[in-house]
Amino acid sequence: DVKVTQSSRYLVKRTGEKVFLECVQDMDHENMFWYRQDPGLGLRLIYFSYDVKMKEKGDIPEGYSVSREKKERFSLILESASTNQTSMYLCASSSSGTLGQYFGPGTRLTVT
Amino acid sequence: KQEVTQIPAALSVPEGENLVLNCSFTDSAIYNLQWFRQDPGKGLTSLLLIQSSQREQTSGRLNASLDKSSGRSTLYIAASQPGDSATYLCAVQGDTGRRALTFGSGTRLQVQP
Repeated sequence: DVKVTQSSRYLVKRTGEKVFLECVQDMDHENMFWYRQDPGLGLRLIYFSYDVKMKEKGDIPEGYSVSREKKERFSLILESASTNQTSMYLCASSSSGTLGQYFGPGTRLTVT
Repeated sequence: KQEVTQIPAALSVPEGENLVLNCSFTDSAIYNLQWFRQDPGKGLTSLLLIQSSQREQTSGRLNASLDKSSGRSTLYIAASQPGDSATYLCAVQGDTGRRALTFGSGTRLQVQP
């Protein structure tokens, strides 16, 4: 079974802090994604990566950056956390074929 | 820009009923369509994936159909159980390079014992 893990289930940070969310997949997938999920807005794509060191902006990249130094790991970075970044963050991975995306358990981030 | 709509937004049924969840999308140029289940506060669990060339997929009590030309998919749940209570999300992947999914807002299902 594909396994996608995220470093934390719950995280509380203060405004202005630099925040790292880590995601690891064990299926040698080329593609990795970061989404955020908010009530009434659904899931929205922040960034995705289709290869090591390659990244593309999604629909809402402002205030975020990403890093992919190894194929299995994709990090989401909040350079200076703000309260409007309080959300559920979901990581996903997929192969370059058509076998669908697999999601991690999510990180509930609260910025106070 | 692809838009995905799910109807109804919420559904409450007694245990044992068969039910249908609907998903529609505006751009028929899709690579595949995926149905997910999400329990409160948790991540997404993939239920079924339908390739653009397929008409339906089945897994246990679940059956998903796809009519690409009309931009519609349905998820059929047979003999519903209280354990089926969750939010069901439909998502499509476009076939023009972007690998990410576009999601509907979900149908929240409550199955009453």
